[in-house]
Amino acid sequence: DTAVSQTPKYLVTQMGNDKSIKCEQNLGHDTMYWYKQDSKKFLKIMFSYNNKELIINETVPNRFSPKSPDKAHLNLHINSLELGDSAVYFCASSRETGPPYEQYFGPGTRLTVT
Amino acid sequence: GESVGLHLPTLSVQEGDNSIINCAYSNSASDYFIWYKQESGKGPQFIIDIRSNMDKRQGQRVTVLLNKTVKHLSLQIAATQPGDSAVYFCAELDIKAAGNKLTFGGGTRVLVKP
Repeated sequence: DTAVSQTPKYLVTQMGNDKSIKCEQNLGHDTMYWYKQDSKKFLKIMFSYNNKELIINETVPNRFSPKSPDKAHLNLHINSLELGDSAVYFCASSRETGPPYEQYFGPGTRLTVT
Repeated sequence: GESVGLHLPTLSVQEGDNSIINCAYSNSASDYFIWYKQESGKGPQFIIDIRSNMDKRQGQRVTVLLNKTVKHLSLQIAATQPGDSAVYFCAELDIKAAGNKLTFGGGTRVLVKP
């Protein structure tokens, strides 16, 4: 009965590779997000989607491409991975409008690029 | 006490004591201010929020205070327990902006000593 799930939990890969992270929510929410958390624990939004439409795109390199096949799923594909992409990536979801404006976060995917 | 350095600010507190976590925010237009708790290896979890037209809001063992004059937010945890050990983040939300964009602060680590 996990609310927001992500796969994989850990991802270790070499520079230059392409990888994907999958996210699913079973809360019936219309809005989904991707966040990046760096080694200093700083959390920053990357993208948000509402009903499969891209709403927020925060100056993220073009190598990152989110894809939302339906409103319950938001996947993140990363091309040509770089060392600086190493971080924990969190998926989240929320209702489109509030209150409350609570966002529900997944468990995170730790990406390590070597 | 609280220490600030190259690492995440850390608040060490004795079990049973009250904790106060502080946060400075930047956007006067933010409509909501939200506190999240992140335990080790997990995603952030919503604790409590406060609307910008309020000064104080109480939850179960937690109280959030908002001082708009100095753009300051605090989270008070009563009778701190070992399970409160985590990193705490404040976040701002401007509901007038598209996509329910949450802007997170830098985080404070709380260590509860038995």
